[in-house]
Amino acid sequence: EPEVTQTPSHQVTQMGQEVILRCVPISNHLYFYWYRQILGQKVEFLVSFYNNEISEKSEIFDDQFSVERPDGSNFTLKIRSTKLEDSAMYFCASLAGAGEETQYFGPGTRLLVL
Amino acid sequence: GDSVTQMEGPVTLSEEAFLTINCTYTATGYPSLFWYVQYPGEGLQLLLKATKADDKGSNKGFEATYRKETTSFHLEKGSVQVSDSAVYFCALRGNYNQGGKLIFGQGTELSVKP
Repeated sequence: EPEVTQTPSHQVTQMGQEVILRCVPISNHLYFYWYRQILGQKVEFLVSFYNNEISEKSEIFDDQFSVERPDGSNFTLKIRSTKLEDSAMYFCASLAGAGEETQYFGPGTRLLVL
Repeated sequence: GDSVTQMEGPVTLSEEAFLTINCTYTATGYPSLFWYVQYPGEGLQLLLKATKADDKGSNKGFEATYRKETTSFHLEKGSVQVSDSAVYFCALRGNYNQGGKLIFGQGTELSVKP
């Protein structure tokens, strides 16, 4: 069964460093998402991406964040200068198309900023 | 804006007990409603969904009915098992034109004891 994969599973970084989180969505899916979950809190939407551009972003997704689909398979989230409060689990999700309902989630990347 | 509210956890039950996790929502229009489950150390998995009023979603013995009049989507299971121990998230998906982000409740942790 096709699945969304994410790498790395865990990342530890120093405050102020850049990190890139990688996702491989399900092949032929058209919509891509990043969510985050700070420990013990709810899952929060960050950004949605379709047709090589951002379709919606939340207030959390400020200038420090960017997304990219550099080739036909990867979908990346970059945090330019990490802050302590960026420590969270980051989930990637994909959706087959506008008429579909189910977003499929990856296993997540746990980011710890020291 | 759209929002989802779940009952607070943790919920602790004995095996074979009846489970209800309450979920209510606020949304404009006619959202689709979902329950996702997160097992320890894993990502989010879709448990069930309902796309219109009075629809009942069901899977693995769990069920939830989309009640527009009470804006609710309560999760129920007649007889829980130890393996059902997980965190359960209620979510809605609203406006397709903006990429259809999911809005999650805060999650309810369920612990089932043998």
